[in-house]
This record gives sequence, C-alpha cells and structure tokens, in this order.
Amino acid sequence: ETGVTQSPTHLIKTRGQQVTLRCSSQSGHNTVSWYQQALGQGPQFIFQYYREEENGRGNFPPRFSGLQFPNYSSELNVNALELDDSALYLCASSLETYEQYFGPGTRLTVT
Amino acid sequence: DAKTTQPPSMDCAEGRAANLPCNHSTISGNEYVYWYRQIHSQGPQYIIHGLKNNETNEMASLIITEDRKSSTLILPHATLRDTAVYYCIVRGNMDSNYQLIWGAGTKLIIKP
Repeated sequence: ETGVTQSPTHLIKTRGQQVTLRCSSQSGHNTVSWYQQALGQGPQFIFQYYREEENGRGNFPPRFSGLQFPNYSSELNVNALELDDSALYLCASSLETYEQYFGPGTRLTVT
Repeated sequence: DAKTTQPPSMDCAEGRAANLPCNHSTISGNEYVYWYRQIHSQGPQYIIHGLKNNETNEMASLIITEDRKSSTLILPHATLRDTAVYYCIVRGNMDSNYQLIWGAGTKLIIKP
C-alpha cells in the first residue's frame, strides 16, 4: 500500500508569483484535504476535494484554488503569492470522511 | 476555533507510560475524538480515534470519560521516538463536519 506523497519537498518563490503543489493520495482513498501550517502553529484547513469536486473550504481567499483528478490525486494552486503564504502545506487523503492520512508536506518559502 | 484544550507541554521518562489529557467539554453526541502527532517538520501521523468506548491499537490507548467531556491518550511504553507534538481533535464523521480543526497541541518530550 502506497502512502500519501507530495511534491516538491521544498520550494522558494518570489512575492507575486504563482505556485502549484501536488499530492498523490493513498491507495483506495477518494478524498483529499489541504492544510496550511505556519511555523509553531497547528495546521489550518484550506479545502477538501471529494470525487473531483470541492467539498468544503476554510477561511482562505480565492487565490488559493485546487483540483482533484480522476485518479484522486490533487493540486493546490496559489496565485499572487504573499510573504505570509510561507508555510508547510500538508495534504491528507481519506476514504470518504474517515481518518485522514497525511503526506510529508511541502515547505514553501516566499521571499 | 479548536474545541479542545490541552496542556502546552509535558515530560515523560523513557519506558514509562505517557498520559496526555484533553478537555472537550462542548463535544456533541455525534463527534469523535481523534489524536494525531507531529514529529518536527513532518506530516501529522494518525494515532487513534473513538466515540465513547475506550479504544486500543498498536500505537496507543484512548480513554474517554463517561460524560465524554475529556479523554486521555496513553502511550504505554514511551520511547525517545515518541517525542512530538500531540493533537487532540474533535470532529464528526458526517458530511457537514469533515475538516480537522487543530489547536496548539501538547509538546511531549521523552527523556532518557
């Protein structure tokens, strides 16, 4: 059984640029959730995708968007990057709304 | 906001049982208690969850009080690799309450 994988591991971008982060869900899972974790804080929910549709969203602006593909992998896109977007971005997959299993995260630094 | 309260930090001696408390006094009838842990800069790791009965798996035991207002995660024989931030989270398994809302967690330090 393959766990949740994320790419890239680390990324450095400049303010105003756009970024795409990728997530492959665990085998058998059909739901992907994305979280943002600032240094020293707990993760914050960005949104969730279920069967290729957004299934809920946290308090994040529209410049945070996502996609889920037929194989249940997912992308997180962030436009017009701001310095405060620097964080660890976590992807979690689950079967329906059951327990979520997390990937190792992508560390994004915006300069 | 998170619906749980945890102590910010705890120490435990290696080989001893680590007991991590969590208060969730506003938990509703269909909400589960989940525990995750996060080792420095890694993705959170699912540990265990329960509704009202005590639960045990290969990693830990979860003891939930009869009134469900608090719970304790027990790591029976703590090792140095158990040093991590432990998060207690309350959520439903229904479609309307899918997200995990995280508090600050408890930083558990296992000492040799």
